[in-house]
Amino acid sequence: GAVVSQHPSRVICKSGTSVKIECRSLDFQATTMFWYRQFPKQSLMLMATSNEGSKATYEQGVEKDKFLINHASLTLSTLTVTSAHPEDSSFYICSARDREGKNSGNTIYFGEGSWLTVV
Amino acid sequence: DQQVKQNSPSLSVQEGRISILNCDYTNSMFDYFLWYKKYPAEGPTFLISISSIKDKNEDGRFTVFLNKSAKHLSLHIVPSQPGDSAVYFCAGDRNTDKLIFGTGTRLQVFP
Repeated sequence: GAVVSQHPSRVICKSGTSVKIECRSLDFQATTMFWYRQFPKQSLMLMATSNEGSKATYEQGVEKDKFLINHASLTLSTLTVTSAHPEDSSFYICSARDREGKNSGNTIYFGEGSWLTVV
Repeated sequence: DQQVKQNSPSLSVQEGRISILNCDYTNSMFDYFLWYKKYPAEGPTFLISISSIKDKNEDGRFTVFLNKSAKHLSLHIVPSQPGDSAVYFCAGDRNTDKLIFGTGTRLQVFP
């Protein structure tokens, strides 16, 4: 099946610094990529939807200036957590929609996730 | 407005028995419904899906049932195995829009 890769899988940063997480679709072109954050009680919260070449669409309550999303190409989206605080520590997951996937029932593929710890 | 709901946060089932995970939705515009399995510190992996025009889809030990009138779907796993222990998410998909997840159900299969 299609592969989505996230990097880094784990990162530790100091409070006040910025950290970038990359999401790549390895064998397909993704018109749309999604960024999720998983909270301790297991739910997956959609943060934003990014479309190649345009601005990301953020969900209500997500600070766009804090979580910068760039979707520069059909295979790469990046999430930058700016001025990170300990409360930003979380598990971040990206997913990508295969633009060629049609009526297959599954056109969205997930990355492995990235653990961010802010100290 | 939570469009996809999983009202049971956890489920415990004996090995060999059937596991039934439930999901309710409010949005009638979904084209597909999907089930994902997730282990801690990993991304979700796709399990099985069902088109909104179907009422059943089966793949090995996994069967998904869709009741459109009740806006309800369920995932049946039979026989359940210890390796099935994970968090299961249902999701609604509109092919031109984002995937909407339920809150997940933690399944534990014990020997």
